[in-house]
Amino acid sequence: DTGVSQNPRHKITKRGQNVTFRCDPISEHNRLYWYRQTLGQGPEFLTYFQNEAQLEKSRLLSDRFSAERPKGSFSTLEIQRTEQGDSAMYLCASSFSGLAGQETQYFGPGTRLLVL
Amino acid sequence: AQSVTQLDSHVSVSEGTPVLLRCNYSSSYSPSLFWYVQHPNKGLQLLLKYTSAATLVKGINGFEAEFKKSETSFHLTKPSAHMSDAAEYFCVVSDLPFEYGNKLVFGAGTILRVKS
Repeated sequence: DTGVSQNPRHKITKRGQNVTFRCDPISEHNRLYWYRQTLGQGPEFLTYFQNEAQLEKSRLLSDRFSAERPKGSFSTLEIQRTEQGDSAMYLCASSFSGLAGQETQYFGPGTRLLVL
Repeated sequence: AQSVTQLDSHVSVSEGTPVLLRCNYSSSYSPSLFWYVQHPNKGLQLLLKYTSAATLVKGINGFEAEFKKSETSFHLTKPSAHMSDAAEYFCVVSDLPFEYGNKLVFGAGTILRVKS
């Protein structure tokens, strides 16, 4: 399978615990994006990487959230001291920044987080 | 600022009849526009994209969309619905210069129901 993969697919945690999600992009893709989708809403942009550099972070990304892409391949998204409002689907997408206007993001299946 | 309005949260059609999912956008620059589909427990899949080439864009599974700048619309159509088309559809806009990253802005989604 050469698509974007995310692990775990589901995570249930108690309020105050830390959680970490992993995204493995399509191998030749240099850009990686994280989005969050709450029930009944479309996904919202959180942050993105070009290679290993984190180039933009949304205001949605509080200081409890941190993302890394250490070698420009897989990425992790960590949420510290989880709150019930963090319950959502966390989506990862990857793309290749080739010609302007030709970039297409390919999405993984998501990690569904439930904070009790 | 860019934004997307999907005019119907739910659309119900009979199998074999036409599908129309409506989308209006707001953009400061020349936008790229996309339609993604999300089946239950599956990742977002790209249906089609407009990037300033032909205004009528053909996608997968018989879907197409027409970019109308004067109406700021990008409606999705299909001549004949199939049961397998039942899913949630997202209209998406991106208008940043591509070197700044292709941050996608999603609409709230339209759930398509296909009746037999």
